[in-house]
Amino acid sequence: AQSVTQLDSQVPVFEEAPVELRCNYSSSVSVYLFWYVQYPNQGLQLLLKYLSGSTLVKGINGFEAEFNKSQTSFHLRKPSVHISDTAEYFCAVRLGYSGGGADGLTFGKGTHLIIQP
Amino acid sequence: DTAVSQTPKYLVTQMGNDKSIKCEQNLGHDTMYWYKQDSKKFLKIMFSYNNKELIINETVPNRFSPKSPDKAHLNLHINSLELGDSAVYFCASSQQGVGGELFFGEGSRLTVL
Repeated sequence: AQSVTQLDSQVPVFEEAPVELRCNYSSSVSVYLFWYVQYPNQGLQLLLKYLSGSTLVKGINGFEAEFNKSQTSFHLRKPSVHISDTAEYFCAVRLGYSGGGADGLTFGKGTHLIIQP
Repeated sequence: DTAVSQTPKYLVTQMGNDKSIKCEQNLGHDTMYWYKQDSKKFLKIMFSYNNKELIINETVPNRFSPKSPDKAHLNLHINSLELGDSAVYFCASSQQGVGGELFFGEGSRLTVL
């Protein structure tokens, strides 16, 4: 079975500084990878996803992530954060077989990004 | 138009009661899910339905019973509510074979007193 580890439960960053949120996955087969953001009292919104092809994936709100198969990582980055980026960020994985399946996503425990003025 | 909508958004009830949460998606997806988010924000899948057929039924007490009347709806009924059922329940949907991402509702916060 696949699993996801987000090592940092909380990351404080000053406004306009760069940030990296770490995500490592474990799977014996190919996977699809996702980053979701959850603002307070809201649902989850997709930031970006990696299915195949270029390992550098660009998403919404200036975020990007890089898939590294050898290190089984999919870290999320943003060059300059804003107060509005304060939220919970979730890395997720699902099996990458054709058809997608109905097995849903396996989520990491989340990283709370705190932007300090 | 809201793509995945859940009702109610907030639910406060007493232990032992029975309650339901409804979910509807207008995306034309063939798969729907229920996730539970606990107080530490951990998200865990409970059920998934594909074309009204139950696919995943994780280790969830049988007090929880999902019902899918059609592809666009997946409701969650909970019997004999317990304190530990307090959580935010998210409905989600996806389309098989198309990228695999899930689209989530806004969540239903259940508080059991």
